[in-house]
Amino acid sequence: QKEVEQNSGPLSVPEGAIASLNCTYSDRGSQSFFWYRQYSGKSPELIMSIYSNGDKEDGRFTAQLNKASQYVSLLIRDSQPSDSATYLCASSYYGNNRLAFGKGNQVVVIP
Amino acid sequence: DAGVIQSPRHEVTEMGQEVTLRCKPISGHDYLFWYRQTMMRGLELLIYFNNNVPIDDSGMPEDRFSAKMPNASFSTLKIQPSEPRDSAVYFCASSTTGNTEAFFGQGTRLTVV
Repeated sequence: QKEVEQNSGPLSVPEGAIASLNCTYSDRGSQSFFWYRQYSGKSPELIMSIYSNGDKEDGRFTAQLNKASQYVSLLIRDSQPSDSATYLCASSYYGNNRLAFGKGNQVVVIP
Repeated sequence: DAGVIQSPRHEVTEMGQEVTLRCKPISGHDYLFWYRQTMMRGLELLIYFNNNVPIDDSGMPEDRFSAKMPNASFSTLKIQPSEPRDSAVYFCASSTTGNTEAFFGQGTRLTVV
């Protein structure tokens, strides 16, 4: 079992809609969670980090963490064509910088 | 800061040849990671260093792969001999103790023919 699972296929959303991405993790020792965005042919870049249960909002992005369910999600409000990318979920242990990544979910925003 | 610098950006080599990928982490970062990305397997951690010392190399696929970090500003990932299934994008990333945000280099796209 992979440490971080992202099982959804490509997600197509109309411009202005909400894109919802999900991620589960297997190790309860994981303490920190991250969402990276990767444009085609580019390197991953961090867009959100979350460390405690609940929601964290940053602009049009909201990350949600539920440690009891071992579940992390990312919401993108008012989706824009520039949001079209692959979104990678990652986790790490407290005191350890090692990041484990999911395979990613491709998001396509249709104008 | 220039960010994480990788070279070369693209590498095409013949099966059986030795390939060396290079990485310069962000100055002051004490963690360095080598990842491999393919469509099938996603982003896989191969090995990571802390203060130039290899901490976990369990992701290195075979003995054909080796990595070194002779000083805080330079690391190499070597594949010898290379095989077509090694074709992938190889990323180097760095971070600092206490801050898990990893910064990625632009990657090296390796094609083994």
